[in-house]
Amino acid sequence: QQQVKQSPQSLIVQKGGISIINCAYENTAFDYFPWYQQFPGKGPALLIAIRPDVSEKKEGRFTISFNKSAKQFSLHIMDSQPGDSATYFCAASMTNDKLIFGTGTRLQVFP
Amino acid sequence: DAGVIQSPRHEVTEMGQEVTLRCKPISGHNSLFWYRQTMMRGLELLIYFNNNVPIDDSGMPEDRFSAKMPNASFSTLKIQPSEPRDSAVYFCASSLSGRTGELFFGEGSRLTVL
Repeated sequence: QQQVKQSPQSLIVQKGGISIINCAYENTAFDYFPWYQQFPGKGPALLIAIRPDVSEKKEGRFTISFNKSAKQFSLHIMDSQPGDSATYFCAASMTNDKLIFGTGTRLQVFP
Repeated sequence: DAGVIQSPRHEVTEMGQEVTLRCKPISGHNSLFWYRQTMMRGLELLIYFNNNVPIDDSGMPEDRFSAKMPNASFSTLKIQPSEPRDSAVYFCASSLSGRTGELFFGEGSRLTVL
């Protein structure tokens, strides 16, 4: 029940395309859903986050879509760029700060 | 402002040796987390502290692993004795308690046990 399932494991997108990464959870007590971005040799960094009281959040080219009834949320990267090539992790937590991460998606954007 | 500082960045050791990883959290943060990252298992939470007190160590693999936080600016993760299956990147992260999910990660310590 503590797991966050993420797919796909890897994703190849052409420059300018849309990248979509999906996550699903079981624990309805989760109330915070961030996405982290990790470049090789670096630690993950917070990219964008959402709480379950809204269905969508957009920051620049990055959008989180949240479906509370389905217990699913996804990251959309519009106009994907080679600089977006990284590993993306979804995560979920309750108010005690314990973040549970998905298994990660390696995104490669080709020019 | 300095971020989370981890040392060493790389450690190569032989099976059976003791390994100590160190972390300095961001000043003012009162929650500290140790994660382990491998290709097979992704990011696993090992232990986290709040106000220097261990809150949840259910992710610590076994008794060979121990973590301490003697003060608000320093934490260690120790493996004794180390085994090849401990090879991974170990991340320390800190946060302001109450700002759920906003973790700031260090650059990690890559451990190789031969």
